[in-house]
Amino acid sequence: DTAVSQTPKYLVTQMGNDKSIKCEQNLGHDTMYWYKQDSKKFLKIMFSYNNKELIINETVPNRFSPKSPDKAHLNLHINSLELGDSAVYFCASSLGPGSSGNTIYFGEGSWLTVV
Amino acid sequence: AQSVTQLGSHVSVSEGALVLLRCNYSSSVPPYLFWYVQYPNQGLQLLLKYTSAATLVKGINGFEAEFKKSETSFHLTKPSAHMSDAAEYFCAVSAQGAQKLVFGQGTRLTINP
Repeated sequence: DTAVSQTPKYLVTQMGNDKSIKCEQNLGHDTMYWYKQDSKKFLKIMFSYNNKELIINETVPNRFSPKSPDKAHLNLHINSLELGDSAVYFCASSLGPGSSGNTIYFGEGSWLTVV
Repeated sequence: AQSVTQLGSHVSVSEGALVLLRCNYSSSVPPYLFWYVQYPNQGLQLLLKYTSAATLVKGINGFEAEFKKSETSFHLTKPSAHMSDAAEYFCAVSAQGAQKLVFGQGTRLTINP
């Protein structure tokens, strides 16, 4: 059983399209995250939700909109895709916010390529 | 604010040799420190973490790390490298009140036969 699962794993799409990445965790965690890994492998947080409430919103273009229908799911919708959005997007979850030293568990990643 | 610096974007060692991956952190409050490993085309897996208990932390796959407050370091070591250790390694820091994990830039470990 996959603890944090995200779909799709690979996504190739054209500029200007709108796409969504879905994430689900079966760990019973309260906090979920989206991280972006760029072509140089650098990982940066984008969003964090705790019990469906947005607690972190880094400097991310408003074309990116997260949605958490319940605390086990956190989806990422991206409008008007640009070439620079090509990256690996990781969903993650933890028991509570990262400030408590809780381990953050990552999904397998979604490889997005914008052409 | 917290930050992490990993010295060396690429480390290459021979099979059976000591692995040493360096991580220095910056934090104005006591930190929580983590090492994650990423195998090709996979997600991140926790190797070990420090949360203010023992300063020498043992993790999976024979890795360990030592928290040294005076040096603001949390270097990762393994006595004897195995071919299967080839991967990208990330050091990360969080702290009480920080709400998020901040990653270093990663170190790619290559193992030579």
